[in-house]
Amino acid sequence: GQQVMQIPQYQHVQEGEDFTTYCNSSTTLSNIQWYKQRPGGHPVFLIQLVKSGEVKKQKRLTFQFGEAKKNSSLHITATQTTDVGTYFCAAPIKAAGNKLTFGGGTRVLVKP
Amino acid sequence: DVKVTQSSRYLVKRTGEKVFLECVQDMDHENMFWYRQDPGLGLRLIYFSYDVKMKEKGDIPEGYSVSREKKERFSLILESASTNQTSMYLCASRTPGGNQPQHFGDGTRLSIL
Repeated sequence: GQQVMQIPQYQHVQEGEDFTTYCNSSTTLSNIQWYKQRPGGHPVFLIQLVKSGEVKKQKRLTFQFGEAKKNSSLHITATQTTDVGTYFCAAPIKAAGNKLTFGGGTRVLVKP
Repeated sequence: DVKVTQSSRYLVKRTGEKVFLECVQDMDHENMFWYRQDPGLGLRLIYFSYDVKMKEKGDIPEGYSVSREKKERFSLILESASTNQTSMYLCASRTPGGNQPQHFGDGTRLSIL
């Protein structure tokens, strides 16, 4: 079964509004990475979180790693049309030989 | 900047053909990966290689094989293409370590008719 779960699968957002996408695992993670894939493009690495409770910001994007290191979130404020794309979280999973395992992604559509 | 180059952006082949997808990276990365991406299924790992001549099965290796004769090149082979292998194929590379980011190529959209 899928070891890294992302919700929601789709997110329709009005331009200017905020939204959050979540990444959950049943196991403790050593680190978690976030990627963004623009329509027609390839996944591009955004950031990595390593420490329990870590929070990192990139302009309007705020990434958080849970205290138990089993979940993570990406919060985008004042959504813009440039935020359109699919956001993936990924983490090395011990049960999978520490290979980077990707979540199913959250596809973000922005309504102007 | 890391550059991962996939030989074709779009490819159309026929059922039963042997298909080669090529991937080259220019950053001397030891690790290379092949994924396929299908709507609603995210990125699924087909095969990966930790170094030259090494290969490991990923989550969905059936119907595929790989070759890594040189460090910079990782080839994905569809031995006898089938219509259910129509997909977007993504190659990635990275330096070793579970905390290293992966760098992806632009992808090859493969259609099997």
